[in-house]
Amino acid sequence: QKEVEQNSGPLSVPEGAIASLNCTYSDRGSQSFFWYRQYSGKSPELIMSIYSNGDKEDGRFTAQLNKASQYVSLLIRDSQPSDSATYLCAVNTGGFKTIFGAGTRLFVKA
Amino acid sequence: GAGVSQSPSNKVTEKGKDVELRCDPISGHTALYWYRQSLGQGLEFLIYFQGNSAPDKSGLPSDRFSAERTGGSVSTLTIQRTQQEDSAVYLCASSTGYSSGNTIYFGEGSWLTVV
Repeated sequence: QKEVEQNSGPLSVPEGAIASLNCTYSDRGSQSFFWYRQYSGKSPELIMSIYSNGDKEDGRFTAQLNKASQYVSLLIRDSQPSDSATYLCAVNTGGFKTIFGAGTRLFVKA
Repeated sequence: GAGVSQSPSNKVTEKGKDVELRCDPISGHTALYWYRQSLGQGLEFLIYFQGNSAPDKSGLPSDRFSAERTGGSVSTLTIQRTQQEDSAVYLCASSTGYSSGNTIYFGEGSWLTVV
C-alpha cells in the first residue's frame, strides 16, 4: 500500500462547478496535511494546509480532514480554467519527512 | 534569498557521467529536501536534512546517489555513473524545520536528461 494515495484522474469539470479531490494516507500518526498545485513544467506551490479534523476554508478552496478515516480532500468552488493543473496531496508522516501522492490531474472546461 | 534557488536549471549528460545538482534554500530555513519527479509522475522523496541531525536518506534509490549539506545551508545532490532512468526533474525544497506545520517551499527544479 502506498503511503499517500490519490486518484490520478483526469478529473474533468465544467467551469463554475465544484471540483472534489480526494486523498487517503496510511500512517495514522500523521499530523500535517497539505495540498499543492502543480502546473505543467512548473514546481509545486502550496494551496492549503490543514492540521485538525474538520474543514478549513480559504477563498474558493476548502480542505477537509478526517483522521479517523485517514482521509483528506480539497474542494474547489466555482472552478475556473486556470485551476486546470495537477493537485498533489502531501502528508507529514513524522519528524520532517513529507510524502506526496502521485497527484490528480484536473481539467476545467470553459 | 527570496526563494529556493537551484542550479543548473537544465543539464544534459552522457550515460555514465557524474552530475552535481545544487540547492540554496530560503534564508533561515533549517530543513532541506530533495525530491525527484519523472515525466508525468508524482514526487519521489529522496532525502532530507534538518539542522545538525543525521539526514534521512531512506528515499535514495541506489548507492549512486548521495547528497551533502555544507554549513547547514547549501546542498549538493550527486549522481554517479548516470543512467537513462535517472532522467527526471530534481526538486529541492526547504522549510522552517518546525515540526508543527512544516510547510515546504520548492525551487524551480533541475531538469536532468541522460542520453
